[in-house]
Amino acid sequence: NAGVTQTPKFQVLKTGQSMTLQCAQDMNHEYMSWYRQDPGMGLRLIHYSVGAGITDQGEVPNGYNVSRSTTEDFPLRLLSAAPSQTSVYFCATWTIYGYTFGSGTRLTVV
Amino acid sequence: KNEVEQSPQNLTAQEGEFITINCSYSVGISALHWLQQHPGGGIVSLFMLSSGKKKHGRLIATINIQEKHSSLHITASHPRDSAVYICAVTGNQFYFGTGTSLTVIP
Repeated sequence: NAGVTQTPKFQVLKTGQSMTLQCAQDMNHEYMSWYRQDPGMGLRLIHYSVGAGITDQGEVPNGYNVSRSTTEDFPLRLLSAAPSQTSVYFCATWTIYGYTFGSGTRLTVV
Repeated sequence: KNEVEQSPQNLTAQEGEFITINCSYSVGISALHWLQQHPGGGIVSLFMLSSGKKKHGRLIATINIQEKHSSLHITASHPRDSAVYICAVTGNQFYFGTGTSLTVIP
């Protein structure tokens, strides 16, 4: 029972490059979300999904895309990386019983 | 906008001390969560509360819905409790506090 798996754990990108952060869960949870965590700002919601085929924007969606073709996977795409997107990214599921977070991806954009 | 406020932001305690971290919120909620994040580590869910009190080992979480306030208590603190503790609320939307950084000194 892996819970929520995020890959990669670390990534360095050059400005303008694109990449996809992967998130997979094996708990059959409907709600999945992506957050970024920056010093002094807490977790901020980027995008979320309440089920396969349904996604919506959170607090800071600009520069990111998501899709939810299956219940298990919820990838986050950076379209054209910018230094302002340097952050730690967390994927999480949520049910009425609480949150389950992935281990995070530390992204640096140079 | 600060829908969730935590205090203190930073806390240093001697091993064995009783610790309290506070969380106040300004929105209607269906549940409040306490999360723990160790340095460089992932985020673990400690408690989810909608009323009353919950206890797990040395950790106790309480919530007062009328006052929109929750507390996380740690009894007999230990250096391994050193972490950032995050309060989050869920309702129509999801809001997170900025966290309380706890250091427990041996």
